[in-house]
Amino acid sequence: EVQVVETGGGFIQPGGSLRLSCAASGFAVSDNYMSWVRQAPGKGLEWVSVIYAVGLTYDAESVKGRFSISRDISKNTVYLQLNRLRAEDTAVYYCAKGSLHRYMDVWGKGTTVTVSS
Amino acid sequence: SYVLTQPPSVSVAPGKTAEITCGGNNIGSKSVHWYQQKPGQAPVMVIYSDSERPSGIPERFSGSNSGRTSTLTISRVEAGDEADYYCQVWDSDDYVFGAGTKVTVL
Repeated sequence: EVQVVETGGGFIQPGGSLRLSCAASGFAVSDNYMSWVRQAPGKGLEWVSVIYAVGLTYDAESVKGRFSISRDISKNTVYLQLNRLRAEDTAVYYCAKGSLHRYMDVWGKGTTVTVSS
Repeated sequence: SYVLTQPPSVSVAPGKTAEITCGGNNIGSKSVHWYQQKPGQAPVMVIYSDSERPSGIPERFSGSNSGRTSTLTISRVEAGDEADYYCQVWDSDDYVFGAGTKVTVL
């Protein structure tokens, strides 16, 4: 079965750091476009970062310089490093498998990040 | 940056047809994807590349895209279709989502 499972969320103070993990099964992260998408409480979906099959990465302007996406092909896992966290980063963070056509066809259940003092 | 405009809400009676629009500058030249999200659940892709249906998605869901508007159409609406629906495109290395439309089944 093709699926992704996110872990690593939690409660963190402003300015802190966190690393989210997205473990994939049923497919290779190295062959796909893997994205992180977040959803603040009561709000819509916001794309955060993507890593392409060739390894190129792109980030949304709102997180550029603070968040970083990476992958470990041997573990078939994608990561999102969150640094210098702010209250407005509080959200459910979803990992999604994508494609060359830039859609997201498999989503995880998400992991919650709460930034508060 | 590219902006997608969706109506905040659409109401429809069971058995009728719901149309959810997604507006954007020359959106007809882009590939539009649609996602359904029910409360407390992760999004599910219901239409990709303007009008293609993933396996497992009912034929009642269809999509179109032309000019300045893309449309997700849900025919013979059922109570289980009540959810938030988001359109999405890719533009200049950004993945852009619309703000979402809440579909209420009366």
